[in-house]
Amino acid sequence: GIQVEQSPPDLILQEGANSTLRCNFSDSVNNLQWFHQNPWGQLINLFYIPSGTKQNGRLSATTVATERYSLLYISSSQTTDSGVYFCAVELGGGSEKLVFGKGTKLTVNP
Amino acid sequence: NAGVTQTPKFQVLKTGQSMTLQCAQDMNHNSMYWYRQDPGMGLRLIYYSASEGTTDKGEVPNGYNVSRLNKREFSLRLESAAPSQTSVYFCAGLRWGTAEAFFGQGTRLTVV
Repeated sequence: GIQVEQSPPDLILQEGANSTLRCNFSDSVNNLQWFHQNPWGQLINLFYIPSGTKQNGRLSATTVATERYSLLYISSSQTTDSGVYFCAVELGGGSEKLVFGKGTKLTVNP
Repeated sequence: NAGVTQTPKFQVLKTGQSMTLQCAQDMNHNSMYWYRQDPGMGLRLIYYSASEGTTDKGEVPNGYNVSRLNKREFSLRLESAAPSQTSVYFCAGLRWGTAEAFFGQGTRLTVV
């Protein structure tokens, strides 16, 4: 089956720092999404980004589908950015299967 | 997240007991999913349903059954619970059109 790998597995930042999270996938996909899981366990959809670049405030994401990777950028990090960031890919061919990576745990210290 | 509701939020079972986790959505999702989350393992797909009346196995289906009786509801059943099924379970729906996924609040299940 498809492999979804995220790096780094853990990241510790000081407030105000920038960071880049990476998601690699092993096969062609229909779409790719980024999620944030807050410390209370709630999963929030950040971006639906099968290709190209999107921005939402301090967060932006880029997917290069032909090279099978996506990047999530967090600028001027805040303590509220802490949590786990997941990427998920939807397989093609009418499958609708949605497969997650293992996540990047981000800790932003004040 | 608004639109995807899971019940119950917490549950403790004894080994061998059965139970059904309920998931309902009011966002007109075609596809619905059940995941389990264990420390360090991310979210692993148990079963999914691309449309009403269809279900397919995910990465870890053993020990589980599902039912998609209508477009709104997708339930997950544990017939004979085992301690290895202690986990946090999430239900999700995939919005038709934009294909964005939305999650319920999760069910924390402990099997003793």
